[in-house]
Order: sequence, then structure tokens, then C-alpha cells
Amino acid sequence: KAGVTQTPRYLIKTRGQQVTLSCSPISGHRSVSWYQQTPGQGLQFLFEYFSETQRNKGNFPGRFSGRQFSNSRSEMNVSTLELGDSALYLCASRPLGGGGADTEAFFGQGTRLTVV
Amino acid sequence: GENVEQHPSTLSVQEGDSAVIKCTYSDSASNYFPWYKQELGKRPQLIIDIRSNVGEKKDQRIAVTLNKTAKHFSLHITETQPEDSAVYFCAAVLTGGGNKLTFGTGTQLKVEL
Repeated sequence: KAGVTQTPRYLIKTRGQQVTLSCSPISGHRSVSWYQQTPGQGLQFLFEYFSETQRNKGNFPGRFSGRQFSNSRSEMNVSTLELGDSALYLCASRPLGGGGADTEAFFGQGTRLTVV
Repeated sequence: GENVEQHPSTLSVQEGDSAVIKCTYSDSASNYFPWYKQELGKRPQLIIDIRSNVGEKKDQRIAVTLNKTAKHFSLHITETQPEDSAVYFCAAVLTGGGNKLTFGTGTQLKVEL
């Protein structure tokens, strides 16, 4: 079974540009969550999508948005990039199909975004 | 919303010693507490988890304890080895509250020879 795949792995963008990151979850998983990882800040929750609907959102500005497609693949978009957006962006997939939430989250390798 | 605090942020131990990482959570309704290990340059991976109906769980050299009354849980690693060096994250899930997985800020564990 293929794991969680994120593309691209590395990205360099200029301040003010926008960027789209992609996450393909494990086959059969319906939940995709996005996290921003920076040194000293841990894994900060951006949002979670389940069955094409955003059902949880973190405390990030509206420049950060996302969506999920019918095949559960998810994209994250950041508009008007700022230097502080430089980070590792991780997505995680969970099945969440059995009514319980206590299921393991599987992470992708992440996309390293550098804003210059 | 749920808030998870984790301490210490860095921990250095001698090989063979024990390491303990502690986390507290804010929402008493949280009922699932996983721990993830992230080695340098790699993705976080689940190493152990505990549900709220259990007070302790062990898996070889790793154990997790949960105190629901105090709203804190801890990771215990015994007989530490160099390969235990990594960043460890605790997390909490509030089922029924959207199942959001909230992480602590991480602990950098260094096992010295």
C-alpha cells in the first residue's frame, strides 16, 4: 500500500507570490490534515478535510486555504507569501471511516517551502 | 479549543538511562493520546498511543501513562539507545469535537554515548 505522498518536496518562492502544495493520502483514507512545522513551534495545525469538507481549522490567516477532491487528494494554497511562511508543510491522512477518531495519522514526507 | 503543552523542549541523557517527557492537555473530553517520533529529515511516525480508559500502556522499552484527573500524560523510555535520539511529539484528540489532532511543541531527545 502506497504511503502518503506530498509534492513537490522542495519549493522556493518569492515574497508576494502564491503557492499550491499537494497531498495524496493513503488509499481509503478520507481525512487529510495539514500542519506547518518550524523550529521551536512544533506541528501547528492548519486545517483538516474530510469527505471534501473542511471540518477543522487552525489559527492561520485567510491567506492559507485548502480543498479536498472526491478522490481524497488535498491541496493547500498560500497566497501573498511572506518570509515567515518558510517552513516544512506536512500533511497527514487518517481513515476515520469507522466512527471513531482514535486512529493513527500517517504523515507525508513534507514540502519544504522557502520564501525569499 | 484543545491546547497541548509539552516539556521539556530539549532533553539530554546518557545511554542506558531513562527519559521522561510530559504533556498536559486542556480539554477534559479528549480521549486519545498518541506519541510520534520524528528522526532528523524524516516524517513523524506513531510509536505508542493510549486511550482514556487506560492508565498505562507499555511496548518494550516505551511506556505511556495517563492521569485523566490531572489532565496529563507522559512518555517513558527506558534503557535509552543512540537511535532513540529524535524529536518526540505528544498529541491529543477530542473525539466528537471534530476529531482534531492537536500536537505539543515537541521534545528534542539526545542520547549521548
